[in-house]
Amino acid sequence: GAVVSQHPSRVICKSGTSVKIECRSLDFQATTMFWYRQFPKKSLMLMATSNEGSKATYEQGVEKDKFLINHASLTLSTLTVTSAHPEDSSFYICSATGTGGRNSPLHFGNGTRLTVT
Amino acid sequence: DAKTTQPTSMDCAEGRAANLPCNHSTISGNEYVYWYRQIHSQGPQYIIHGLKNNETNEMASLIITEDRKSSTLILPHATLRDTAVYYCIVRVGNNFNKFYFGSGTKLNVKP
Repeated sequence: GAVVSQHPSRVICKSGTSVKIECRSLDFQATTMFWYRQFPKKSLMLMATSNEGSKATYEQGVEKDKFLINHASLTLSTLTVTSAHPEDSSFYICSATGTGGRNSPLHFGNGTRLTVT
Repeated sequence: DAKTTQPTSMDCAEGRAANLPCNHSTISGNEYVYWYRQIHSQGPQYIIHGLKNNETNEMASLIITEDRKSSTLILPHATLRDTAVYYCIVRVGNNFNKFYFGSGTKLNVKP
């Protein structure tokens, strides 16, 4: 089956620093990737949608200058949390879909747990 | 933005069928219903999806009502490892075919 790899799985950083999270589709070309955020005991919240070679589109209320998304190739998207603060601590999950449109499942990475101290 | 409602939690005895309901009364004609589950601190796992017809795979069956306003995920023989949060998602049919997660159902499979 389709595999999405997310790295790192855990990261701890100091307040004010930036953190980059990578999301790779290992065995298929991901035309669209989605980034989610999840707080403890809550559901996943869609942050942004990225298409290869174009700018990401952000959901309402998500700061695009805080959460930089780059989708440089059909197999790689990155999320950079800039100038991280403790309130950015969360579980970040990426997902990717191929060319099948709405009849094509999303495949999820295993998430990155970010802790900002 | 989620177009689905699900019960908060359900219990099921090990070895019995687990039937998880989902309401999606505002679904549009070209929008698919997807089911995922999430085990603690992992990414969601795809289970099954459908448009109009009932679907079955090695994991589960999906029953969609004729008016498409609700569906039921059936795990035929639940095991302890099926304990998870199950999400029913209507894949939005416009721009980028986004997935918005609702609150999900916590399924507790008990021995």
